Amino acid sequence: QKEVEQNSGPLSVPEGAIASLNCTYSDRGSQSFFWYRQYSGKSPELIMSIYSNGDKEDGRFTAQLNKASQYVSLLIRDSQPSDSATYLCAVGSSASKIIFGSGTRLSIRP
Amino acid sequence: GAVVSQHPSRVICKSGTSVKIECRSLDFQATTMFWYRQFPKQSLMLMATSNEGSKATYEQGVEKDKFLINHASLTLSTLTVTSAHPEDSSFYICSARAASGPEELFFGEGSRLTVL
Repeated sequence: QKEVEQNSGPLSVPEGAIASLNCTYSDRGSQSFFWYRQYSGKSPELIMSIYSNGDKEDGRFTAQLNKASQYVSLLIRDSQPSDSATYLCAVGSSASKIIFGSGTRLSIRP
Repeated sequence: GAVVSQHPSRVICKSGTSVKIECRSLDFQATTMFWYRQFPKQSLMLMATSNEGSKATYEQGVEKDKFLINHASLTLSTLTVTSAHPEDSSFYICSARAASGPEELFFGEGSRLTVL
């Protein structure tokens, strides 16, 4: 079992709709969770961090965390073509490392 | 967010030569820096964790004598790819975690290495 799992996609969403990205993790001791966006040929950039159960909103982005289910998600409202990228879920493990999932490729179609 | 600068952004070298990549945290002190490698259409692979003033910790399968890491100060870590071969061609990305405050990693712009 991978430590951080994501569906590789591609996930295709029409412009203006909500894109939903999901991630599960295996280390129950994990306390920190992150979503990064990576455009092709570029390095990842941090979108959201979340540390406690529930929802955290920042503009069009909402991160959701459920530690009991070992599940973290990212919702993107009013999706724009510029949101097309690979989204990486990252989890801070109990060993003080940050482990990345393989990423979900998101495509927003006009 | 915090700024991490990586240099050079692109490098082309001949097989057998060594290449040094620098990673600097510009507006914060980074006790820990991480070096990743990413092949096309693949995820980030953690190569090593670099702590200021101590030896780097390498992930399984990463040759420490080939990928030399130095973290001499709280704002600078370097990765030297020694005796580079074509199979070392990849996108190398550093990231840094601040000495205090949130745990987020901030990434450098990446360095694309091509070994001929």
